Formats: sequence, C-alpha cells, structure tokens
Amino acid sequence: QVQLVQSGAEVKKPGASVKVSCKASGYTFTGYYMHWVRQAPGQGLEWMGWINPNSGGTNYAQKFQGRVTMTRDTSISTAYMELSRLRSDDTAVYYCARAVVVTAINNWFDPWGQGTLVTVSS
Amino acid sequence: QSVLTQPPSVSAAPGQKVTISCSGSSSNIGNNYVSWYQQLPGTAPKLLIYENNKRPSGIPDRFSGSKSGTSATLGITGLQTGDEADYYCGTWDSSLSANWVFGGGTKLTVL
Repeated sequence: QVQLVQSGAEVKKPGASVKVSCKASGYTFTGYYMHWVRQAPGQGLEWMGWINPNSGGTNYAQKFQGRVTMTRDTSISTAYMELSRLRSDDTAVYYCARAVVVTAINNWFDPWGQGTLVTVSS
Repeated sequence: QSVLTQPPSVSAAPGQKVTISCSGSSSNIGNNYVSWYQQLPGTAPKLLIYENNKRPSGIPDRFSGSKSGTSATLGITGLQTGDEADYYCGTWDSSLSANWVFGGGTKLTVL
C-alpha cells in the first residue's frame, strides 16, 4: 500500500537547523510531487512548498523562502525538508504529503506522513 | 488569517446532519478544484473529498462535497461520535505567488 514514513521527533535550539525525512513506498516515487505542510500546536495547517522528485524542482511558500530547502534521494525514495535559522514559533508537527496531480488546477494530497514533531527551545 | 474561511466549530447530535462551509475567491476556489481533509485527534490529516465532490475508496457516502462559485461545502449525514475531528478545505491559489491554501479548520463536535 502507498505509505509515507517520516523521521522521529527533534528538539533544536533557536538558530539551529532541522532536516526531516519522508520515505515513500508502494508507488513510483518520481511520479508524484511531494508537499510539506506544518501544524503549530493547536493551530491549522500551513503549506510550506513542494518538490518534484523527478526533476528536483521546488516551489516554496513565500513565508519560508530563504529558510527552507526541499531535496530528494531517488535511490531510496526519500524526500527531505530542511528548515534553518529556527525560531520558537517554528515549533510544529511537520507533515509530508503526496500530491495526486490531474491538472494544474486539480490536485489533492493523499496520503500524508505520520508527522514529525519539531520542538525549538533554548 | 487563512485565505479560505471556515467556521471555527460546528456541532450536532448523533444521527443528525451537519454542513461545513469554505469560502474563498476567484483566485482559489472559484477556478480550482477543492479537496477536504479529516484530522482525528492526534493523527495526520486524511483525504476525505477530492475534485470538489468525489470520495476516495473507503470513505462512506455519509460524506459529500459540493462547490458553487467561490464557496465549497462539506456535508456529513448520520453523524457518529467517531466523526469528531477537525476538517480542512484546501485548493490552489492561482495568484502571483501560486500557493496551496487551506482553510483555518472546523472542529466538529458530536453532542
């Protein structure tokens, strides 16, 4: 079955970087865009950007440009999201989600990874 | 402040019906397909509705979606206590900075 398995929880100090992994299985990794979404405690979902695992092309939400880097390793069907210069308000659960793309205006996320809690605290 | 507007909470009794609205604009809902996600407490979001009104396999027909103009609606009939969750709408926003956008989420309470 299609599955996304993310790396474990992280605790980081302000100013540090964190790299979260998302290992895909059950489908052709290079055939689907991968998106990253985060959720601060008690808050809603916030889209961060996507990576095209085939080409490595990326598109980041303006809010995160300059701080986020999305990469992939096709040999192990794994996507990565690295966030730098961490602040306390980056404390959140970070999700990867596979995008099913029919057309540019028609796509959705299925499935989602289980989430990775990143805590930023001094 | 989310680009898509949802009511923060809705509630209804078991067996009843509830609707959750999602309001946007011509740059998002008005010209793009909408999907809906269910997030049970302590779990990752799960796809509930795609292409405005289609259900993935395994999603009961108690759940339905519709879209009209710049608004979308999620309907749930025959409410069960297990439906208590947060529900999010989402779509592309085709403005200058093409982004995926979510609604702020709606907490469903089954009384």
